Amino acid sequence: KAGVTQTPRYLIKTRGQQVTLSCSPISGHRSVSWYQQTPGQGLQFLFEYFSETQRNKGNFPGRFSGRQFSNSRSEMNVSTLELGDSALYLCASSHPRRTGPPYTQYFGPGTRLTVL
Amino acid sequence: QKEVEQNSGPLSVPEGAIASLNCTYSDRGSQSFFWYRQYSGKSPELIMSIYSNGDKEDGRFTAQLNKASQYVSLLIRDSQPSDSATYLCAVNIQDRGSTLGRLYFGRGTQLTVWP
Repeated sequence: KAGVTQTPRYLIKTRGQQVTLSCSPISGHRSVSWYQQTPGQGLQFLFEYFSETQRNKGNFPGRFSGRQFSNSRSEMNVSTLELGDSALYLCASSHPRRTGPPYTQYFGPGTRLTVL
Repeated sequence: QKEVEQNSGPLSVPEGAIASLNCTYSDRGSQSFFWYRQYSGKSPELIMSIYSNGDKEDGRFTAQLNKASQYVSLLIRDSQPSDSATYLCAVNIQDRGSTLGRLYFGRGTQLTVWP
């Protein structure tokens, strides 16, 4: 099975711009979670999508948004970029049940975003 | 109190030694526990999962879980320089007022294995 894929792998943007990142989960996985990783804050949860619905959200401003398509592919968008948004953005897929503990999450390679 | 705590390290051990990585968590109801390895500049890679009290072994890796003490650890036997990485502990914790759980990650422990 192919792993989680993320595009693009690297991005350079300037303050005020917006950016869209894409994630394709492992085939058959219906849950996609997004994380931001910075040296200072570690791995921070952004949101989780399951069956095209956001079912969990972390403590990030509304500039961060996402969506999931019927084929389980997901996108996240960051509007009005700030210098502090420079980070590695990771997508993880899993095949959870509707209730109960989450299944294992598998990470994609990440998108390295640099905001100048 | 942080949900998942790890010693940040760095932890340095000689080649062939046992490396011991520790993690504590806040939610007594947590049911799923994971260890990820992350090489510099790469994404986290799952190396162990554990759901029941006790030990779980996989090759050179042993995960240990003690739910009463809210403690999970990872032992790496016969450590190799290629094990040098940051190790992330992840625990599923149910948010207040929600029926859903999600993974919370520790900040990671940096391990260096020197030849």
